[in-house]
Amino acid sequence: EVQLVESGGGLVKPGGSLRLSCAASGFTFSSYDMNWVRQAPGKGLEWVSSITRSSTYIYYADSVKGRFTISRDNAKNSLYLQMNSLRAEDTAVYYCARGEREMADWGQGTLVTVSS
Amino acid sequence: EIVLTQSPGTLSLSPGERATLSCRASQSVSSSYLAWYQQKPGQAPRLLIFGASTRATGIPDRFSGSGSGTDFTLTISRLEPEDFAVYYCQQSGSSPRLTFGGGTKVEIK
Repeated sequence: EVQLVESGGGLVKPGGSLRLSCAASGFTFSSYDMNWVRQAPGKGLEWVSSITRSSTYIYYADSVKGRFTISRDNAKNSLYLQMNSLRAEDTAVYYCARGEREMADWGQGTLVTVSS
Repeated sequence: EIVLTQSPGTLSLSPGERATLSCRASQSVSSSYLAWYQQKPGQAPRLLIFGASTRATGIPDRFSGSGSGTDFTLTISRLEPEDFAVYYCQQSGSSPRLTFGGGTKVEIK
């Protein structure tokens, strides 16, 4: 069974940093592109970032470019999102999701709240 | 940049009725790269349809997807109580890498 478990969310002040992790199991992690998708309270889904299997290609939404860094450790079956210079508008549930074109598997999400 | 516009914003229907949800792209999207998701409150999204018309594993056949180019449709042939949720379309392949539509809420009338 595919499992994706996010962690690392919490309350952080504007301008602060946070590192999210996603632990993967039940599939060959190194064979799949991975993504971060977020959802602000009461809002729709917003793609944040994607990373290819060997980290060869990395993509970011304009809203986070230059502030967020996606990475992965295939030996540890883990995906990461380093979030710096956080803003109130980054407040959201952050999901990790597996897939290149469509995302067939999602974690349960971790809540990031940016507030003073 | 491709923008996906979903309509209507809210669809009020009764169980047993047919639901037709629209997703319109600002530029042509390859059918291979169009997907639909269902999301219920407090839950992660669930993949329903990929490649515009292929049902994901375990998805009932009352869900169907169609369309090409800039116009795509998700149809639920007969609404079951568990189908009342928010539905999102999503495209991939063009800059930006991935885009979601704003969602359509299917609510009980």
